[in-house]
Amino acid sequence: EIVMTQSPATLSVSPGERATLSCRASQSVSSNLAWYQQKPGQAPRLLIYGTSTRATGVPARFSGSGSGTEFTLTISSLQSEDFAVYYCQQYNNWPALTFGGGTKVEIK
Amino acid sequence: EVQLVESGGTLVQPGGSLRLSCAASGLTVNSNYMSWVRQAPGKGLEWVSTIYSGGTTYYPDSVKGRFTISRDDSKNTLFLQMNSLRAEDTAVYYCARESGYYAYWGQGTLVTVSS
Repeated sequence: EIVMTQSPATLSVSPGERATLSCRASQSVSSNLAWYQQKPGQAPRLLIYGTSTRATGVPARFSGSGSGTEFTLTISSLQSEDFAVYYCQQYNNWPALTFGGGTKVEIK
Repeated sequence: EVQLVESGGTLVQPGGSLRLSCAASGLTVNSNYMSWVRQAPGKGLEWVSTIYSGGTTYYPDSVKGRFTISRDDSKNTLFLQMNSLRAEDTAVYYCARESGYYAYWGQGTLVTVSS
């Protein structure tokens, strides 16, 4: 099983600031990495797939980068609706898809 | 527009059984890879099972032999039969369309395993 580790567990950011979230894989997942946003009481929402491709309707302030074992999700200027929990997920080791433990982005 | 609507979650005793359903619209279940993903209260996301368009099924060790994924093509519905339930199976269960990543999710249904 590929273990996905996200850091930090909680990120305190002021509205308008930049947020950088990290995700590390225990072995290479190539570029087969996705990011999700989840708000309380809601299902996860796909933000990014293929490391850097935004899903339909996702604002351009969300961007993804990385390859192999190190990945980053950047939110360029945090809006009020962006405060949520973010998960990374690898899909290189299919069908055993695994998620990171999540990063909570909270208001500073 | 794709819609996935789960149902069937409830309170069940340890050792009991439960069947979850996921009614799909806007996509054909038997033409897609469909999965169940769960989330324990306050915890992260865990893959539970997948069924290929061809009918092959996959499970992680944590549920293998206890859970069975299936579908009814005539009703365009996905199922998860859960047997020998344990307290650690308590979670919100989501159905999702999988293409490596999960582009479409249902709203989830809560399963609570407790005496």
